[in-house]
Amino acid sequence: ETTVTQSPASLSMAVGEKVSISCKTSTDIDDDMNWYQQKSGEAPKLLISEGNTLRPGVPSRFSSSGYGTDFVFTINNVLLGDEGIYYCQQSDNVPYTFGAGTKLELK
Amino acid sequence: EVQLVESGGGLVQPGRSLKLSCAASGFTFSDYNMAWVRQAPTKGLEWVASISYGGSNTHYGDSVKGRFTISRDNAKSTLYLQMDSLRSEDTATYYCARHENWGYWYFDFWGPGTMVTVSS
Repeated sequence: ETTVTQSPASLSMAVGEKVSISCKTSTDIDDDMNWYQQKSGEAPKLLISEGNTLRPGVPSRFSSSGYGTDFVFTINNVLLGDEGIYYCQQSDNVPYTFGAGTKLELK
Repeated sequence: EVQLVESGGGLVQPGRSLKLSCAASGFTFSDYNMAWVRQAPTKGLEWVASISYGGSNTHYGDSVKGRFTISRDNAKSTLYLQMDSLRSEDTATYYCARHENWGYWYFDFWGPGTMVTVSS
């Protein structure tokens, strides 16, 4: 089983700042890492899929990088509407495991 | 527009059974692998089970293997999750999710979820 270690657990940022979230996997997963946003009381939403591919309709402020075991998710110029919890998920092998989440709060 | 709507959640006693349904619309259901993902209150996301587009292949998380069964009815565009021998730790919101087409295993669309509470 591939363990996904996500950090930090929480972030408090000001509007306009840059957000960086890290996910590290216990096995090599090539570029099979995905990133989701979950706003309060809602279902998760896929933002970025395998190969650091931005999903249709997702602003280009969101991006990711990484390959193998180290991955980074970035939000440039963070906005109030970006508040929520962000999760990474590996899709390389069963079980499909998620990181523990990063709670993003805007000051 | 892709829509996934779960139903069947509720309060159930430990050891009892419950069956969840997910009605799909807005896409050709029989072309897509599907999944259930759950989230315990104030906790993170946990993949539960996946099923292939034709229903012949299934995979389960270790925490539910042998107790839960995922199935589908392509004629009705409906996904199911039969949950037996329920435990308090199964209390969660259960999301129906679609896997991207062509054998990708991330979740590109999610339903709003249905809450399951296991308690005496």
